Amino acid sequence: DAMVIQNPRYQVTQFGKPVTLSCSQTLNHNVMYWYQQKSSQAPKLLFHYYDKDFNNEADTPDNFQSRRPNTSFCFLDIRSPGLGDAAMYLCATSRNSGGRETQYFGPGTRLLVL
Amino acid sequence: TQLLEQSPQFLSIQEGENLTVYCNSSSVFSSLQWYRQEPGEGPVLLVTVVTGGEVKKLKRLTFQFGDARKDSSLHITAAQPGDTGLYLCAGAKSGGSNYKLTFGKGTLLTVNP
Repeated sequence: DAMVIQNPRYQVTQFGKPVTLSCSQTLNHNVMYWYQQKSSQAPKLLFHYYDKDFNNEADTPDNFQSRRPNTSFCFLDIRSPGLGDAAMYLCATSRNSGGRETQYFGPGTRLLVL
Repeated sequence: TQLLEQSPQFLSIQEGENLTVYCNSSSVFSSLQWYRQEPGEGPVLLVTVVTGGEVKKLKRLTFQFGDARKDSSLHITAAQPGDTGLYLCAGAKSGGSNYKLTFGKGTLLTVNP
């Protein structure tokens, strides 16, 4: 029944060691989003894809990249993780990008940077 | 900058009590979504409201969208320990950045048995 799947659920990496987080969806939605959520804070949008069209938020650090090889999968690459990148990373999808579209979230990947 | 203010930030109550949490903004939203998030998990959608004045019920939860589509409330009747979690409201606007949800900071609810 899972509609938005994130792997792994927990990821430990070393300072500066590249890491990739994975998201897949069974909803066939056009839009996929990546959010960063730090403790006791609201989710912060990093970027999103409308189909293959990539949209970066202005304040997303260059350290964060994304790939969407097909409709179902989207990846978050952190090129050189710093201690400040430790957070919960949430993937979400929506059918389209209109103002009345609902976003559906995955369970998240908690990233720990040592 | 559109801000969604949620209140209260923290709420601790006993099982069986009623409560209301609020989500307020000076901006108009096309829709507003309420999520519940448990520790270590992603937000789970509870409801989407799109029409000014709309009221939606989900068992013991009642959601209302303000007439002007700037605010919303969530009322829980006879709260249970299973209602414990972080309640987030998120608004979407129409126009150029209509993909973007503006999140409130959440209300952390604890229901004690």
